[in-house]
Amino acid sequence: GAGVSQSPSNKVTEKGKDVELRCDPISGHTALYWYRQSLGQGLEFLIYFQGNSAPDKSGLPSDRFSAERTGGSVSTLTIQRTQQEDSAVYLCASSKILEPTQYFGPGTRLTVL
Amino acid sequence: SQQGEEDPQALSIQEGENATMNCSYKTSINNLQWYRQNSGRGLVHLILIRSNEREKHSGRLRVTLDTSKKSSSLLITASRAADTASYFCATLGMNYGGSQGNLIFGKGTKLSVKP
Repeated sequence: GAGVSQSPSNKVTEKGKDVELRCDPISGHTALYWYRQSLGQGLEFLIYFQGNSAPDKSGLPSDRFSAERTGGSVSTLTIQRTQQEDSAVYLCASSKILEPTQYFGPGTRLTVL
Repeated sequence: SQQGEEDPQALSIQEGENATMNCSYKTSINNLQWYRQNSGRGLVHLILIRSNEREKHSGRLRVTLDTSKKSSSLLITASRAADTASYFCATLGMNYGGSQGNLIFGKGTKLSVKP
């Protein structure tokens, strides 16, 4: 079946603008995760959804970052007033309930000029 | 924060040789996973080893786990140019429902297999 999809694949924006990144998980996967990967920080966890609720938002780096998930499916990560340090690849993953293996999307490469 | 530390950071070998990558972690675990990443994009799950297992095989992959030393190794036998990628170990962070939660990744080993 289809894997995790993310859009856009690349996004270039100007400092101060808002961006929305989208993740479409594998059908039937109840858990959804956002990570980001940057040169200096490696792979960092951002937020975890179980269904539509987010029991763990501990990784969100500032209040400029928010995420939602609707219908237990698609998730959107929003970054407001982007800064240059937000430049990174944003990865989404999903998993079946109570399963540790995660399936990753191809990522969105965000560049903030 | 990083849970695992892989070594070496980079490894360059010839096709046909074996590649061994090591990972150390800090806290108690239920399981440890290895992932592969091509060209800095999506990660692909390779293998999972549970805390009560010492060794696991999958095709040309062999994973070992030593919980007393908090370390794991990934061996790729008879490497191919297509194995060129970055390899990461990952453990569960906060644990929800016993076996689910965010992954904490090591810094990765960049493997280059020359034809």
